[in-house]
Amino acid sequence: EVHLVESGGGLVQPGGSLRLSCAASGFTFSGYYMTWIRQTPGKGLEWVANINPYGSETYSVDSVKGRFTLSRDNAKNSLYLQMNSLRAEDTAIYYCAKDGGRAGPNYWGQGTLVTVSS
Amino acid sequence: DIVMTQFPLSLPVTPGEPASISCRSSQSLLHSNGYNYLHWYLQRPGRSPHLLIYGGSNRASGVPDRFSGSGSGTDFTLKISRVEAEDVGVYYCMQGLQTPWTFGLGTKLEIK
Repeated sequence: EVHLVESGGGLVQPGGSLRLSCAASGFTFSGYYMTWIRQTPGKGLEWVANINPYGSETYSVDSVKGRFTLSRDNAKNSLYLQMNSLRAEDTAIYYCAKDGGRAGPNYWGQGTLVTVSS
Repeated sequence: DIVMTQFPLSLPVTPGEPASISCRSSQSLLHSNGYNYLHWYLQRPGRSPHLLIYGGSNRASGVPDRFSGSGSGTDFTLKISRVEAEDVGVYYCMQGLQTPWTFGLGTKLEIK
């Protein structure tokens, strides 16, 4: 059974940094793209970033480029999102998801809440 | 960016009755390979979204056959043949044709 568990969320001041982690199990982690998606009451669901199975290519939404860095450690079955220069509008629940290729994000974690506020 | 428009935004349904949700994209989601990169998700209250339908019409593993998806190009429909209490939640369509992947605002299904 696929299992994704996010951690690392919390309260951070504007301009601060946070590192989210996602622990994966139940599938061959190194064989799949992985994704971060966030959700806010105001903007709904928003795709944040993808990373290829090797960790050599990442893709992200324009609003986080230059501030967020996506990485993975296949030996640890873990996905990471380093978030710098955080803004109030980054406040959201962040989900990691397994990318099912043509099936899109087919398994999601339970999410971790990030709150950016002074 | 591809804009995804869902309607209705709210859908009250009597148990046992059918329900239908529409999703329209600002650009065709039909790839040259013949595949529609349109997916449907359900987010139950207090839970994370889970995949119901992928590729416009393929049920994900474990999804009851009362759920069906149809459509191609820019117009898609999710149908529930007979709504049950456990179907309550917000339904989202999502396009995976090109980044940034984008979602509709959601349709909230509630039981009358």
